[in-house]
Amino acid sequence: ELKVEQNPLFLSMQEGKNYTIYCNYSTTSDRLYWYRQDPGKSLESLFVLLSNGAVKQEGRLMASLDTKARLSTLHITAAVHDLSATYFCAVITGTASKLTFGTGTRLQVTL
Amino acid sequence: NAGVTQTPKFRVLKTGQSMTLLCAQDMNHEYMYWYRQDPGMGLRLIHYSVGEGTTAKGEVPDGYNVSRLKKQNFLLGLESAAPSQTSVYFCASSQDLGYGYTFGSGTRLTVV
Repeated sequence: ELKVEQNPLFLSMQEGKNYTIYCNYSTTSDRLYWYRQDPGKSLESLFVLLSNGAVKQEGRLMASLDTKARLSTLHITAAVHDLSATYFCAVITGTASKLTFGTGTRLQVTL
Repeated sequence: NAGVTQTPKFRVLKTGQSMTLLCAQDMNHEYMYWYRQDPGMGLRLIHYSVGEGTTAKGEVPDGYNVSRLKKQNFLLGLESAAPSQTSVYFCASSQDLGYGYTFGSGTRLTVV
């Protein structure tokens, strides 16, 4: 059974600081996704990482994938309040493109 | 282009009542999914479909049934609602693995 673990589960950080969210998964997969969810809203796709060593960047967020270590990171550079949200990683498993999600990391950026 | 539309957005049920949640997508996607989201547990797959007329069980299928009679619609049914089914339900669709899922806006269900 595929397990996807994120840490930390909750992160409070000041504006302007850097931090990294970690996503570990238990079985082989070469596709990993990052989503953002604002309170009471749906999930918004941030990054799709399709191969070992993949790196994607959008604004202050950068995601990377190491399939050998079964690890993805979401790095936040110089955080701003607008980045406050819950971030999920998800891994493709088996057939039918089923996604297994991590438990999420709630990010709170304080002024 | 509406994407994935879920109805209703909110619902309160009494224990033992039944209801159907509707998911409709207009992107001609083959794959459709139903997830539930509970605090601290991420999203868990209930049922999924790989095409019209097909359904399969996910991680937490007990107490739910699904149907996909038309490619664009995926229905989730609760035959006899229980308080443990209080949750936010998300529908999603997918065609191309490279882009992941498109999610609906969610249905917040409370069973009292």
